[in-house]
Amino acid sequence: GENVEQHPSTLSVQEGDSAVIKCTYSDSASNYFPWYKQELGKGPQLIIDIRSNVGEKKDQRIAVTLNKTAKHFSLHITETQPEDSAVYFCAGDTGANNLFFGTGTRLTVIP
Amino acid sequence: NAGVMQNPRHLVRRRGQEARLRCSPMKGHSHVYWYRQLPEEGLKFMVYLQKENIIDESGMPKERFSAEFPKEGPSILRIQQVVRGDSAAYFCASSQHPQGGGTEAFFGQGTRLTVV
Repeated sequence: GENVEQHPSTLSVQEGDSAVIKCTYSDSASNYFPWYKQELGKGPQLIIDIRSNVGEKKDQRIAVTLNKTAKHFSLHITETQPEDSAVYFCAGDTGANNLFFGTGTRLTVIP
Repeated sequence: NAGVMQNPRHLVRRRGQEARLRCSPMKGHSHVYWYRQLPEEGLKFMVYLQKENIIDESGMPKERFSAEFPKEGPSILRIQQVVRGDSAAYFCASSQHPQGGGTEAFFGQGTRLTVV
């Protein structure tokens, strides 16, 4: 089955700096890789996703890259702001109609 | 268009009682998924349902846990004879098409179950 590993588990950056979170997956059949942001006491919020036929996708300050050969994908947040502070989860589809989540990265943006 | 609605937001049950968690998917979504999240951990898949059918329950414990998604009304996750280890946040997600097809899934705010 699918296994998704996520690093780092915690990340602190100064406001305005960039943050990078990396994930690796095991199931070569996975084709869809979403990223979720979870704030304290709330549900996960989809922030960006990428499909296997694309290598990179950007949405304003957020970008995701995918290397299917190496089976890893990364989230890049530029010009970080305090409101970016949250727990970020990567995920991959399993081909069995559900998502397999990483263990999360707690991002703290220091003003 | 309201998002995925879950209730209650918080639920406290004594050991041995039953917990019933409700989830109304986004309008137009017929695929519902339940996930469990333990403190400081990621989300673990439990069950996937379409209207009136359980499609995949491979992540759900064999005993005490059941789920349904009736023709009318919300999806229900039911936990019988709760134990302290059931304490967790339970999230429901919905999608317009099956997640295996790369369709976006949207999550509710979750139900935080505490067993005392």
